[in-house]
Amino acid sequence: GEEVAQTPKHLVRGEGQKAKLYCAPIKGHSYVFWYQQVLKNEFKFLISFQNENVFDETGMPKERFSAKCLPNSPCSLEIQATKLEDSAVYFCASSQVMAGMTYEQYFGPGTRLTVT
Amino acid sequence: QKEVEQNSGPLSVPEGAIASLNCTYSDRGSQSFFWYRQYSGKSPELIMFIYSNGDKEDGRFTAQLNKASQYVSLLIRDSQPSDSATYLCAAVIQGAQKLVFGQGTRLTINP
Repeated sequence: GEEVAQTPKHLVRGEGQKAKLYCAPIKGHSYVFWYQQVLKNEFKFLISFQNENVFDETGMPKERFSAKCLPNSPCSLEIQATKLEDSAVYFCASSQVMAGMTYEQYFGPGTRLTVT
Repeated sequence: QKEVEQNSGPLSVPEGAIASLNCTYSDRGSQSFFWYRQYSGKSPELIMFIYSNGDKEDGRFTAQLNKASQYVSLLIRDSQPSDSATYLCAAVIQGAQKLVFGQGTRLTINP
């Protein structure tokens, strides 16, 4: 598609429950990024993929967060045993990157996760 | 020191005037710079990107990059009330691909 798609728009989970978010990148874009936006506009990078391979996972809290990008499927971000501090908007972005150049990233509409 | 810094504002500009938004970055390995606009409750929307020193113009928007001073700016000419939003500056360090965001500047255009 021509836009990054994310589902669901809103997700409410009780503390300790699992949350799973989905992202379909723009067709033809080989890079997918996940960011977390908490209060006061602070964006935190979580993980990036080049096609189905993890490119950079330096931002991931590995004990509870996991992510995948499998061929012919939306990418997913899963949080096991959610905590109150996980409440945020999770944005997915995609870009094309060629030969060391960085191309612009386009963002999806986000998934608002509320942990109660 | 944050890797990308912006004045959080709020910045208030009268309609029709020039709005000037500024951003500094600390990592000299940063190679690409982006300005995103984010309306409340919405996702970031790409406004401008710049890779080379100098100015880049697109309609009412001009991005300026000075790598020696590690400084990026965005000028919005003939500001409109619809330009009222938070403007996010972001940098990409060579090889890393991920965006490193500043804290955003809230801009209000007063009719």
